Amino acid sequence: GQQVMQIPQYQHVQEGEDFTTYCNSSTTLSNIQWYKQRPGGHPVFLIQLVKSGEVKKQKRLTFQFGEAKKNSSLHITATQTTDVGTYFCAGSGRGTDKLIFGTGTRLQVFP
Amino acid sequence: DGGITQSPKYLFRKEGQNVTLSCEQNLNHDAMYWYRQDPGQGLRLIYYSQIVNDFQKGDIAEGYSVSREKKESFPLTVTSAQKNPTAFYLCASSIGLRGMNTEAFFGQGTRLTVV
Repeated sequence: GQQVMQIPQYQHVQEGEDFTTYCNSSTTLSNIQWYKQRPGGHPVFLIQLVKSGEVKKQKRLTFQFGEAKKNSSLHITATQTTDVGTYFCAGSGRGTDKLIFGTGTRLQVFP
Repeated sequence: DGGITQSPKYLFRKEGQNVTLSCEQNLNHDAMYWYRQDPGQGLRLIYYSQIVNDFQKGDIAEGYSVSREKKESFPLTVTSAQKNPTAFYLCASSIGLRGMNTEAFFGQGTRLTVV
């Protein structure tokens, strides 16, 4: 079945450093979504990418969807303590609503 | 307020008992999902439903059952056959355009502890 892996599993950074998490799917995705889950909370939608090679920015966050639509990345510039949490990618294949989540990357930011 | 509601927030059950977790949404969404999250782990799909009266198994459906008799409701039963039921359970819904997922909205989750 479809598998979505993320690396790294954990990342500890000093406030102000950059952070990147990578997402890789075993199958081609129709689109990719990114979510953030704060400790003790539930996942909250950040963004969706649909087109091959698409790049979107949200303030300090940059999201990219690979040309083959099998991988994606999230880059945070100059991390802040408010960025702490676990970041998940999620996607589904064509013609289905089956939404599979990646394994997640937990980000810790030290002040 | 529009949203997705899970209840209860915390649930304790004895081993061998079935337990049903509630999930209700008033967003008029067609698609609904149940995920399981273990400490420090990702979200694993248990069951999903693309439309009322229809549902599909996810990756870890064994020991669980669902129903989708109403568009707004998607209850999950954790049966005694589930070997490791203690976990955080998350319900989600989305508009559900076939082949083009849209933003999924999550409930607050139910933390189930089986003793």
